Amino acid sequence: EIVLTQSPATLSLSPGERATLSCRASQSVSSYLAWYQQKPGQAPRLLIYDASNRATGIPARFSGSGSGTDFTLTISSLEPEDFAVYYCQQRSNWPLSFGPGTKVDIK
Amino acid sequence: QVQLVESGGGVVQPGGSLRLSCAASGFTFSSYGMHWVRQAPGKGLEWVAFIRYDGSNKYYADSVKGRFTISRDNSKNTLYLQMNSLRAEDTAVYYCAKDLPAMIVGAFDIWGQGTMVTVSS
Repeated sequence: EIVLTQSPATLSLSPGERATLSCRASQSVSSYLAWYQQKPGQAPRLLIYDASNRATGIPARFSGSGSGTDFTLTISSLEPEDFAVYYCQQRSNWPLSFGPGTKVDIK
Repeated sequence: QVQLVESGGGVVQPGGSLRLSCAASGFTFSSYGMHWVRQAPGKGLEWVAFIRYDGSNKYYADSVKGRFTISRDNSKNTLYLQMNSLRAEDTAVYYCAKDLPAMIVGAFDIWGQGTMVTVSS
């Protein structure tokens, strides 16, 4: 099973700042990595799939990069609605797996 | 609009059974792989099970293998999760989720609102 680790666990930033979230896989997942955003009481929302492809309707301030074992989600300038928990997820191997999440909160 | 609506959650005793349903609308259900993902209270996301668009292939998380069964009825646009031998650690919100188009299996572009399953005596 592929284990995903995310860092940091919590990121405290102000609106307008740049957020950089990391996800590391225990073995290569090629580019088969997705990022999701989840707000309290809501279902997750797909932001990025296959490392760098924005999902439909996702603003351009969200971008993804990386391949192999190291991946990054960047939010170029935080909007108030971006404060949430972010999960990475791999679809390279069964069973699929999620990282533990990074909470982006308001500083 | 594209929508997934789960139902069937509730409170069940340890060792009991429950069947979840997920009604799909707004897209060609029979063309997409479908998944169940769960989230224990205050915890992260855990992938549970997958079924291919035609039902011919299924995968499960080790934590539920042998106890849970995923199925689908394409004539009814409905996904199911039969859960047997339930344990306290199965307590979670259960989401159904749809695969992306273009046969991209394992990335979920549409999610339901979730249904709560509580396993407790």
